[in-house]
Amino acid sequence: EAGVAQSPRYKIIEKRQSVAFWCNPISGHATLYWYQQILGQGPKLLIQFQNNGVVDDSQLPKDRFSAERLKGVDSTLKIQPAKLEDSAVYLCASSLTFSTSEGGGYTFGSGTRLTVV
Amino acid sequence: KQEVTQIPAALSVPEGENLVLNCSFTDSAIYNLQWFRQDPGKGLTSLLLIQSSQREQTSGRLNASLDKSSGRSTLYIAASQPGDSATYLCAVRRAGNMLTFGGGTRLMVKP
Repeated sequence: EAGVAQSPRYKIIEKRQSVAFWCNPISGHATLYWYQQILGQGPKLLIQFQNNGVVDDSQLPKDRFSAERLKGVDSTLKIQPAKLEDSAVYLCASSLTFSTSEGGGYTFGSGTRLTVV
Repeated sequence: KQEVTQIPAALSVPEGENLVLNCSFTDSAIYNLQWFRQDPGKGLTSLLLIQSSQREQTSGRLNASLDKSSGRSTLYIAASQPGDSATYLCAVRRAGNMLTFGGGTRLMVKP
């Protein structure tokens, strides 16, 4: 079974530029998550999708971050304009359902490491 | 708001030692607690998941316990090996299958 695919692996941009990250979840997984992991900290949930609908985006800085999952499969996370404090690893994960038990097991991608200079 | 804390933040031990990593959380209304391992440049790998009704789970040299009422979990690693070097994260699962993570414990096992 293929894992969660993310690209690019690394990205370096200047502040105020824009950047986009792509995630392709495991086939058949209805739920997709984007987490932000700042160096030395644990991951923090940015947004959760169920199919192509948003379940929770309460921690997404909506003035500069946006995410979409138009066809309920792959997803794009965008930052515009980027700030220095956005430097982090952006992890995508998927699960079969958003159930807390059956089918709720997460599979994480390897992440995209963003450096804003 | 749920907060998850892990102590210590970093740990360096000689090979063969038995280790205890600690995790505490402020809201006991959780569905389960999960321990993950994170290697540099890699995603997260699930190690153990303890349901809220359980007290502990074991897998090989790993044993995780959960005391929901006191908001604590421990991960015990027996006979540590250099290959155990990684960051260990605990996370509590809340409604909607969302995870709240601790800051992690960075473990180095020296040969």
